Amino acid sequence: GAVVSQHPSWVICKSGTSVKIECRSLDFQATTMFWYRQFPKQSLMLMATSNEGSKATYEQGVEKDKFLINHASLTLSTLTVTSAHPEDSSFYICSASPTSSGGYEQYFGPGTRLTVT
Amino acid sequence: SQQGEEDPQALSIQEGENATMNCSYKTSINNLQWYRQNSGRGLVHLILIRSNEREKHSGRLRVTLDTSKKSSSLLITASRAADTASYFCATDRVTGRRALTFGSGTRLQVQP
Repeated sequence: GAVVSQHPSWVICKSGTSVKIECRSLDFQATTMFWYRQFPKQSLMLMATSNEGSKATYEQGVEKDKFLINHASLTLSTLTVTSAHPEDSSFYICSASPTSSGGYEQYFGPGTRLTVT
Repeated sequence: SQQGEEDPQALSIQEGENATMNCSYKTSINNLQWYRQNSGRGLVHLILIRSNEREKHSGRLRVTLDTSKKSSSLLITASRAADTASYFCATDRVTGRRALTFGSGTRLQVQP
């Protein structure tokens, strides 16, 4: 149980285009999901907290108009990187927190590698 | 920085030796977790230790937690080449956001 999927697992796009990444909790409901970013040989940094039915909360320095987050259901959150640039190339990882856990448990997706050319 | 620090940044050992990684964090926590990440892959959860626990074992893993020093250590005994990976500690806060704050990570290389 407690499986989180991400799609796609990797994507290559051209500079200026937009890319959507999906994060799904497969066997549980998640009121809250988190989006992290990891640059090569670095640690994970929280980008935003996604709450079902409300606006996402972004960390300082993360542009909300560039990284659009939609959490329209209890099992799906999407991250759209708009007008992607090479510096957005990174490994994006989501995690989902079961509603039943009150936010105290998190399960991570396998990550999406984004390469912007 | 909100991140915790881990040391060493990199560690190279021979198979069969023990590997110890240390993590320091900055805020009061509910629990601390350790994750492994193979190059370019997702996270694998290793072990969780709660703030009221001081030591926990899981197979070849031993984790300690010292909340007075805001530090934790991960010991991998009898290491194997397959243990080669990056290891991260992650903490959640007692108050505020529930997202995890990750340490800077230790890159472990186990030579066969």
